[in-house]
Amino acid sequence: KNEVEQSPQNLTAQEGEFITINCSYSVGISALHWLQQHPGGGIVSLFMLSSGKKKHGRLIATINIQEKHSSLHITASHPRDSAVYICAVVPPSDKLIFGTGTRLQVFP
Amino acid sequence: DAGITQSPRHKVTETGTPVTLRCHQTENHRYMYWYRQDPGHGLRLIHYSYGVKDTDKGEVSDGYSVSRSKTEDFLLTLESATSSQTSVYFCAVTSGAVYEQYFGPGTRLTVT
Repeated sequence: KNEVEQSPQNLTAQEGEFITINCSYSVGISALHWLQQHPGGGIVSLFMLSSGKKKHGRLIATINIQEKHSSLHITASHPRDSAVYICAVVPPSDKLIFGTGTRLQVFP
Repeated sequence: DAGITQSPRHKVTETGTPVTLRCHQTENHRYMYWYRQDPGHGLRLIHYSYGVKDTDKGEVSDGYSVSRSKTEDFLLTLESATSSQTSVYFCAVTSGAVYEQYFGPGTRLTVT
């Protein structure tokens, strides 16, 4: 079993829909990252969080350390949000463990 | 943009040949990482560096070596490339694991 599991693996939405991507992990962590990988392959950091909730524009990330679970929400989705979203956790070793990603496609 | 470049961006090479990939950063981050990305797997750590001449192995280090002789450059070498090393390689830099991670644009390597 992978230490970091994301769901769903693939997600299709219509423009304007509210989107939720989930990340569950089985190890103790000090922080969790959400990353976005564009169709061209580039990877950018969206959030790093260790507790609670963070918001940036239409993106919201939450984490529940006790339940070992994080969610990434996208409000009012847009076709430009189409990408692969990757969850990565920071275990005690400090070497990130990555999920396999959630591929999101948003259609007009 | 953390000023990270990777070279080459694409490479096709034959089995058994040596290959060196370069990661260059301009913002003096202490930590540098090499990952590979393959279908069905998350990014997997090959090697990392926590300073000049300080490197260590990651989870998939077999067949790879690294060097960091300057803060800004982290080199990944495949001593004798194999088809199983066909992958997309990403370099990343950070000031620490709980800080923002900055990724290079990736190098697509094909070993025939």
